[in-house]
Amino acid sequence: AQRVTQPEKLLSVFKGAPVELKCNYSYSGSPELFWYVQYSRQRLQLLLRHISRESIKGFTADLNKGETSFHLKKPFAQEEDSAMYYCALRHSNDKVIFGPGTSLSVIP
Amino acid sequence: KAGVTQTPRYLIKTRGQQVTLSCSPISGHRSVSWYQQTPGQGLQFLFEYFSETQRNKGNFPGRFSGRQFSNSRSEMNVSTLELGDSALYLCASSLGAGVEGSPLHFGNGTRLTVT
Repeated sequence: AQRVTQPEKLLSVFKGAPVELKCNYSYSGSPELFWYVQYSRQRLQLLLRHISRESIKGFTADLNKGETSFHLKKPFAQEEDSAMYYCALRHSNDKVIFGPGTSLSVIP
Repeated sequence: KAGVTQTPRYLIKTRGQQVTLSCSPISGHRSVSWYQQTPGQGLQFLFEYFSETQRNKGNFPGRFSGRQFSNSRSEMNVSTLELGDSALYLCASSLGAGVEGSPLHFGNGTRLTVT
C-alpha cells in the first residue's frame, strides 16, 4: 500500500542549528514528492517539490529512491521556520496523500 | 488570481443532520481534492474530482460524498453526522491532468463541529 511516514511528531531545535525533518514513502511507481508547510494561522502551502530541485527559504530536499526517502533539510534554523511540515506523495492519477506531519519548534 | 475559497468558514451541526461544504478552485484548475484534518489523524484524503468526475476516493463511509460542477466548483456533503465528523475540512485545487510537479493549492478550510 502506498503511504508516507514522518517518524517525528515534534522536533525542537535551537536557532542557528541544522534541522532535518524525515520523510519516508512506499510507492510502487515513480513518485512525485512534495513538502508542504502550515504556519500559525495560515493555510497549508507548498514549500518545495522534488522535481524542481530548488532551495526555498533555505530548505532543500533530495529524493533518495534507494532509501525511499525525501528528507527536508536546512543548515541554520530560524525562528520563523517554526511550523507544521507535511511530506506528500502524488500518485500518477493525481491522488495526493500526506504524512502525519512534524511540528517544528525553533528555540530562540 | 484569487485563491481557493471555501464556504462557510465555520459550521455547527447536531448529530444526525447533514451538511454541505463548498469550494471554489483557482481559475483554470480542473482538479479539486478534499481532505479531513484532525489532530489525531492528520490529513486524510476524502476524494478528488477532475472535470466533474470522481477519479479518486479515500477510505471514508458512504455518508461522505461530493460532486464537481462544470465551472470546477465543488461541494462535499456529509449525511447523518456523527460526533467523530468534527474536523477541519480542506479543499485543494490543482491543474491536474497529470501535469508533473503540479502542486495543491489549499483553501482556509471549513471548521465543522458536531454536537
